Amino acid sequence: SQQGEEDPQALSIQEGENATMNCSYKTSINNLQWYRQNSGRGLVHLILIRSNEREKHSGRLRVTLDTSKKSSSLLITASRAADTASYFCATLDTSGTYKYIFGTGTRLKVLA
Amino acid sequence: DSGVTQTPKHLITATGQRVTLRCSPRSGDLSVYWYQQSLDQGLQFLIQYYNGEERAKGNILERFSAQQFPDLHSELNLSSLELGDSALYFCASSVTGAESPLHFGNGTRLTVT
Repeated sequence: SQQGEEDPQALSIQEGENATMNCSYKTSINNLQWYRQNSGRGLVHLILIRSNEREKHSGRLRVTLDTSKKSSSLLITASRAADTASYFCATLDTSGTYKYIFGTGTRLKVLA
Repeated sequence: DSGVTQTPKHLITATGQRVTLRCSPRSGDLSVYWYQQSLDQGLQFLIQYYNGEERAKGNILERFSAQQFPDLHSELNLSSLELGDSALYFCASSVTGAESPLHFGNGTRLTVT
């Protein structure tokens, strides 16, 4: 079964607005990563947050992690049409198996 | 460009057949991961290799097998293909397996008819 579940499944916003997507996971993790996938293409790594970190920024991206709630959120500020893509969270559990488990993704559409 | 090369880009084959998907990892990366993505679905982890050795196994069917060669390229073999095996198959590589981000190829789109 999938470790991560993203919410919402789909999101449509206007250019310039902020987009927030959430990820929930089930087990203890070493780190959590967010990836972007343009239609039919390979995933691109966006940001990694370690289990002992609570917030991380990278450009227009802000990621938070709440290990007590087993959840993370990705905020994209001042969205652009080029941000239209699917966004996935991926978790590395602490079992030592080095399996990165991906969630089901959030499909973001930014309207110009 | 991620530096990960997957071939072929597209593959159309019939049920019952066998195919081999190939992946060349990014230069310097020792870990290779294989994922399956069905239409509009998330990524299902199949298997991971590190420096030639199998390190982790996911929901990989017995009809599927993989290996990583001494030059670190990897192959995923799919046999006795079924219609439900139609999907995008991604290879990803990383330096290690711990806190290294994954670098994905552009995938092989397999269509089983």
